[in-house]
Amino acid sequence: DSGVTQTPKHLITATGQRVTLRCSPRSGDLSVYWYQQSLDQGLQFLIQYYNGEERAKGNILERFSAQQFPDLHSELNLSSLELGDSALYFCASSIGTGGLYEQYFGPGTRLTVT
Amino acid sequence: ELKVEQNPLFLSMQEGKNYTIYCNYSTTSDRLYWYRQDPGKSLESLFVLLSNGAVKQEGRLMASLDTKARLSTLHITAAVHDLSATYFCAVDGWNEKLTFGTGTRLTIIP
Repeated sequence: DSGVTQTPKHLITATGQRVTLRCSPRSGDLSVYWYQQSLDQGLQFLIQYYNGEERAKGNILERFSAQQFPDLHSELNLSSLELGDSALYFCASSIGTGGLYEQYFGPGTRLTVT
Repeated sequence: ELKVEQNPLFLSMQEGKNYTIYCNYSTTSDRLYWYRQDPGKSLESLFVLLSNGAVKQEGRLMASLDTKARLSTLHITAAVHDLSATYFCAVDGWNEKLTFGTGTRLTIIP
């Protein structure tokens, strides 16, 4: 158990809908990262927040957005869902920012868009 | 753009044998991570390599980093069934983003 929690574990929804994925980092960690894992794209970095501020952006679609709240939990919002958005979404956390700090991954949210 | 390549993509090996997974990356970096993922599960951190020549060992797994060659290896010694999983390397490209390799699906056959 990494100490990172994600809810829900599974989510099934229809195309065009909007969903919110939630992540609570390990106690004391200030950085939260979001990743998408799919069969065709592999593991891709989406976005990072550090202490409430956006820190780095990866291959995140405009339909997707995220934020980190004062209590450091983070939410990833996915809207106008398409079949291709079906994937495993991971959140990770670390104490600091940058590659010196190990990232600890949560259990993931499996999103299925039908 | 940083590219990270792993090979092989699939590896089937017998218990007791040794093998190596290779991770090549395209730009300068001295921060490399190895992760393990079991089917349907999250990623478990195995090794953190933060300098040229770094070598770390845990049980039957040993990881090394050669930043000049832009190459990391994950060596498996005397494989056992419990090591069956998918192994990923990830490189920090100095822009605070981790770029992951394609993964190597390892199957240990009794």
